[in-house]
Amino acid sequence: DGGITQSPKYLFRKEGQNVTLSCEQNLNHDAMYWYRQDPGQGLRLIYYSQIVNDFQKGDIAEGYSVSREKKESFPLTVTSAQKNPTAFYLCASSARTGIGNTIYFGEGSWLTVV
Amino acid sequence: GDSVTQMEGPVTLSEEAFLTINCTYTATGYPSLFWYVQYPGEGLQLLLKATKADDKGSNKGFEATYRKETTSFHLEKGSVQVSDSAVYFCALSYNQAGTALIFGKGTTLSVSS
Repeated sequence: DGGITQSPKYLFRKEGQNVTLSCEQNLNHDAMYWYRQDPGQGLRLIYYSQIVNDFQKGDIAEGYSVSREKKESFPLTVTSAQKNPTAFYLCASSARTGIGNTIYFGEGSWLTVV
Repeated sequence: GDSVTQMEGPVTLSEEAFLTINCTYTATGYPSLFWYVQYPGEGLQLLLKATKADDKGSNKGFEATYRKETTSFHLEKGSVQVSDSAVYFCALSYNQAGTALIFGKGTTLSVSS
């Protein structure tokens, strides 16, 4: 079945560590996104990519990094510079950006700083 | 800047009650509008969408009409079920390449039997 796979589902990070969240899609979508969800805050865009080897910062990119070396993969690294990383992270994809395209979401990854 | 405002929750209803979740938006252009639903512990699923003024999106008994004059996209359902309990997000995106979704903060719906 086609879809978006995020891993791991749950991740614990120690202070000062970098961690990477995986996102893979087999929908043949050009565009991919990372959102962060905090209680009562809705979803906020971290980074998005319209095509391989290209990505743009979203509203809250500080302390995060991404890469897009393959069409199907868009990993997110939460660096030690991110001061409050505990949140629910959602990866998403769409055929293209904008143009009323439907964005499809993965099941999410919970990151907790211990 | 562009934004989406939803009514604050939680919304608590009895089964078979009528549901309205208000959503208004601020936009400089002519966006497409969406409702997404999130069940506990899961990602978001598209519920319905409308791409231009006066369009009505509908799915699973839910409806929303794109009202340009009031900049609104209220979600309605005539008879809710316990299984509709979830968080509902209103969102907009522009019909231009290079833009992503802008979300409201979400409204939690709890339906009891």
